Amino acid sequence: GQQLNQSPQSMFIQEGEDVSMNCTSSSIFNTWLWYKQEPGEGPVLLIALYKAGELTSNGRLTAQFGITRKDSFLNISASIPSDVGIYFCAGLMGGSQGNLIFGKGTKLSVKP
Amino acid sequence: NAGVTQTPKFQVLKTGQSMTLQCAQDMNHEYMSWYRQDPGMGLRLIHYSVGAGITDQGEVPNGYNVSRSTTEDFPLRLLSAAPSQTSVYFCASSYDGPRNEQFFGPGTRLTVL
Repeated sequence: GQQLNQSPQSMFIQEGEDVSMNCTSSSIFNTWLWYKQEPGEGPVLLIALYKAGELTSNGRLTAQFGITRKDSFLNISASIPSDVGIYFCAGLMGGSQGNLIFGKGTKLSVKP
Repeated sequence: NAGVTQTPKFQVLKTGQSMTLQCAQDMNHEYMSWYRQDPGMGLRLIHYSVGAGITDQGEVPNGYNVSRSTTEDFPLRLLSAAPSQTSVYFCASSYDGPRNEQFFGPGTRLTVL
């Protein structure tokens, strides 16, 4: 099946540092989504991207839809302890109502 | 609004047993979906539904059945549980499909012995 390569797998950072993570694929996607999952809960949507080159912010989070439509990036500025969790990218191919493909996640740990 | 609810929260089955995981939403969403999450694997789509009476297969449908008789409910059935189905199962719903925000339930942790 289709795969999204998400990196890094995990990050251990100091509070206040900036964070970058990305997803790449050999396939073209028409939608990129970034979700965050906290322990014991379901994922929650952070940012949705619908157009190549699109740059969208949500507070301290910024995500970009890659120009090639095969990748996406998520940046978190000035991290705080509540940023801890697993961040997932997810991609949807054109014309697909169903098959949202998730990356394997980036586990973020923030040291106060 | 309760959002998306799932029952049970935890379940232990023996190989070969059958069971149904329940999922309900009160947001009048047309689109509902089931995912499984395994350690280090992200979420994988099992089945989805774009409206009452319509279901389709996702990435990993084998061993699972679904039905959508009402807008609110989307149960997932395991006909003959196998150890490979040990996982955390999430149900989600959205207004019109996975392009837009999906609201996830709290998950069901299933262990098959």
